[in-house]
Amino acid sequence: KAGVTQTPRYLIKTRGQQVTLSCSPISGHRSVSWYQQTPGQGLQFLFEYFSETQRNKGNFPGRFSGRQFSNSRSEMNVSTLELGDSALYLCASSLVGGGTGELFFGEGSRLTVL
Amino acid sequence: AQSVTQLDSHVSVSEGTPVLLRCNYSSSYSPSLFWYVQHPNKGLQLLLKYTSAATLVKGINGFEAEFKKSETSFHLTKPSAHMSDAAEYFCVVRGGGFKTIFGAGTRLFVKA
Repeated sequence: KAGVTQTPRYLIKTRGQQVTLSCSPISGHRSVSWYQQTPGQGLQFLFEYFSETQRNKGNFPGRFSGRQFSNSRSEMNVSTLELGDSALYLCASSLVGGGTGELFFGEGSRLTVL
Repeated sequence: AQSVTQLDSHVSVSEGTPVLLRCNYSSSYSPSLFWYVQHPNKGLQLLLKYTSAATLVKGINGFEAEFKKSETSFHLTKPSAHMSDAAEYFCVVRGGGFKTIFGAGTRLFVKA
């Protein structure tokens, strides 16, 4: 069974640009969540989607958004990039939502903002 | 509200000696608790999980953790460290409301 796939794995952007990251969950998983990992702030929850609906959102500005498609694939978008957005963005899928199931993580998309 | 505190940012052990990584949690309802490991430039891998069944949970690679409700702790242990255990470990709380809280992480160093 294929794992969680994130694309692209690495990308470099400049301040003010926007970026879209993609996540394909494990087949059959309906919940996808996103996390930002930085050396200073650690791992922080961005949002979780279940059945194409955002179920919860972390404390991030509105520049961070996401969506989930009918096949459970998800994208997240960051607009008007800032230097502080440089991070490893991790996606995880879960068989069910609601917070009790185990998360299966992708290898992440490393974003560098210059 | 939920929170997770990993009591040590760094732990250093010698190969073959026991490992103890400490985690305290706070939750207003019965949470699900997890330990994940992250090797450099990799995603997170599940070591073990507690979901209100047995309080002593066995995971992969010889790791185990004990859920102690009275102490609100979920410490991770391994009897004998191996060089390949060197990584960062995260204690995670998940509960109702589709929210996931990560501890700050504990970096484990294993000396030969």
